[in-house]
Amino acid sequence: ILNVEQSPQSLHVQEGDSTNFTCSFPSSNFYALHWYRWETAKSPEALFVMTLNGDEKKKGRISATLNTKEGYSYLYIKGSQPEDSATYLCAPGRRSWGKLQFGAGTQVVVTP
Amino acid sequence: DGGITQSPKYLFRKEGQNVTLSCEQNLNHDAMYWYRQDPGQGLRLIYYSQIVNDFQKGDIAEGYSVSREKKESFPLTVTSAQKNPTAFYLCASSIPGTGGSGELFFGEGSRLTVL
Repeated sequence: ILNVEQSPQSLHVQEGDSTNFTCSFPSSNFYALHWYRWETAKSPEALFVMTLNGDEKKKGRISATLNTKEGYSYLYIKGSQPEDSATYLCAPGRRSWGKLQFGAGTQVVVTP
Repeated sequence: DGGITQSPKYLFRKEGQNVTLSCEQNLNHDAMYWYRQDPGQGLRLIYYSQIVNDFQKGDIAEGYSVSREKKESFPLTVTSAQKNPTAFYLCASSIPGTGGSGELFFGEGSRLTVL
């Protein structure tokens, strides 16, 4: 079982501010890193699947970077909006099919 | 609309009883998964199935059983052997991807409470 750490556990952001948070994981046998957004009372939804060292992905105001050699990924939210309030989960996958290991998540609360 | 349907949304069980959580998908995905969430912890994999009539244990399979008789369906039975079954259960599916690169599609979850 991988040790996946997400920090901080929670954060409060003022509307319009930008923020970022971290996912750390063991770098050995890495294959892919998933980010999911989980809004209250809804299903988790995939944001990004990243596989290459140095990869950067962007979806609207949300972007992510990946460093597979040192074992971390950052997720950035630019100009946070109340609809960005959710728990953000990261999940690295190793070189064995289907085995993602989820972190405990970073809960983001955006206040107007 | 394509998606994953879990039922029931809430379930109460007496100690010693088995319960079955339903998971149905119409996404035509080969792979299906069951995860468990406990407060302050990440999602933990209970069982997964890559193809019909085949499934593998995840990290916390003890006290659970599954079947995969149809591509669309992957029910999870929480048996009386599961020592701490009160939790939130999520079902997911994916197109298999090498090394876990297949994006997961999740249901809305089932909350099981043991009285």
